[in-house]
Amino acid sequence: AQSVAQPEDQVNVAEGNPLTVKCTYSVSGNPYLFWYVQYPNRGLQFLLKYITGDNLVKGSYGFEAEFNKSQTSFHLKKPSALVSDSALYFCAVRDQAGTALIFGKGTTLSVSS
Amino acid sequence: GAVVSQHPSRVICKSGTSVKIECRSLDFQATTMFWYRQFPKQSLMLMATSNEGSKATYEQGVEKDKFLINHASLTLSTLTVTSAHPEDSSFYICSARGGTSGADTQYFGPGTRLTVL
Repeated sequence: AQSVAQPEDQVNVAEGNPLTVKCTYSVSGNPYLFWYVQYPNRGLQFLLKYITGDNLVKGSYGFEAEFNKSQTSFHLKKPSALVSDSALYFCAVRDQAGTALIFGKGTTLSVSS
Repeated sequence: GAVVSQHPSRVICKSGTSVKIECRSLDFQATTMFWYRQFPKQSLMLMATSNEGSKATYEQGVEKDKFLINHASLTLSTLTVTSAHPEDSSFYICSARGGTSGADTQYFGPGTRLTVL
């Protein structure tokens, strides 16, 4: 069965500092990995995905994520955090044969000024 | 990017009534749409997968007779919560697969907040 783990309920960083939001996954076969962001009372916005190719994936709003097959991880990163990055972040996975995304529990990112 | 809309954004209804939520892919055709439910400060729980022109596939534990899904066209799927009860109060989010990032990416609607009194 597919699963996603986001070990941190909350991540706090100061504006201008680098941020990392962790994600590990379990899936049979090659994973399709995604990051989404959700602002209060809103739907999810797509940030980036890894399907194949370079392990470092660049996405929207300056975010990037690194696929690490040996560690089954897909951590979200940004070199310099902004207060406006404060939101709920979801990691998601599906396998090649699957259709719907399976989501982690979410990590709340709080960026202080 | 791809845009998915939902209507209504917020609905309050009395217990025992039915509520219909529409999900539309505005600028792409979506052969597959998904319905999720989200409780406060929790993750998204997949309810069902909807394929255009065929019956929806429901996840284990989701009552198909209570949550009726219709995917009549490549741009529209509807979720009807029948005989709603207070425990059905939740945030319902639809998703459609397709768009400019390719068929691998799911794009999400803004969500519908359902409150059953």
